[in-house]
Amino acid sequence: EPEVTQTPSHQVTQMGQEVILRCVPISNHLYFYWYRQILGQKVEFLVSFYNNEISEKSEIFDDQFSVERPDGSNFTLKIRSTKLEDSAMYFCASSRQGAREQFFGPGTRLTVL
Amino acid sequence: ILNVEQSPQSLHVQEGDSTNFTCSFPSSNFYALHWYRWETAKSPEALFVMTLNGDEKKKGRISATLNTKEGYSYLYIKGSQPEDSATYLCAFGNRGSTLGRLYFGRGTQLTVWP
Repeated sequence: EPEVTQTPSHQVTQMGQEVILRCVPISNHLYFYWYRQILGQKVEFLVSFYNNEISEKSEIFDDQFSVERPDGSNFTLKIRSTKLEDSAMYFCASSRQGAREQFFGPGTRLTVL
Repeated sequence: ILNVEQSPQSLHVQEGDSTNFTCSFPSSNFYALHWYRWETAKSPEALFVMTLNGDEKKKGRISATLNTKEGYSYLYIKGSQPEDSATYLCAFGNRGSTLGRLYFGRGTQLTVWP
């Protein structure tokens, strides 16, 4: 059964460093999302992406964040200058029909020291 | 900010017990209600997407109901098994979000003891 994959599973970085989190969505899906969960808090939406552009972004998704679909398979989230409060589990999701069922990856745990 | 609440926060039951938990969400601008099952170190697994008031969905021993007018959904597990142990998340989809931004509750952590 097709699934969303994410790499790495765990990333440790120093404050101020750039990180790129990678996702391979399900191959025939057209809608892509990033969410995150800070430990002990709710899963929260970051951004949705369709047709090579951002469709919607939350107040969390400031200028430090960017997303890209560099080729036909990968979907990346870049954090330009990480802060301690960026430490969280980051989930990628994809969907075939937009506002319908979203399929999630297993997450990347980002730890900022 | 749209608020989605789940209760209880955690639940411990014996194998064979039936159980249920609640998700409450805003009753205005409703588009869809999603239930996910999430085991540690795995991907959250989609259980149901519900869109119509009065919807009831079933998958094996798990079923869900939806009341959009009063803003709640129930998830039921009949005859719980240890493999049902997981966190169950609900997520609200708002009509104003064309691509389906989801607002999540904190989840209900279910532990089923053999």
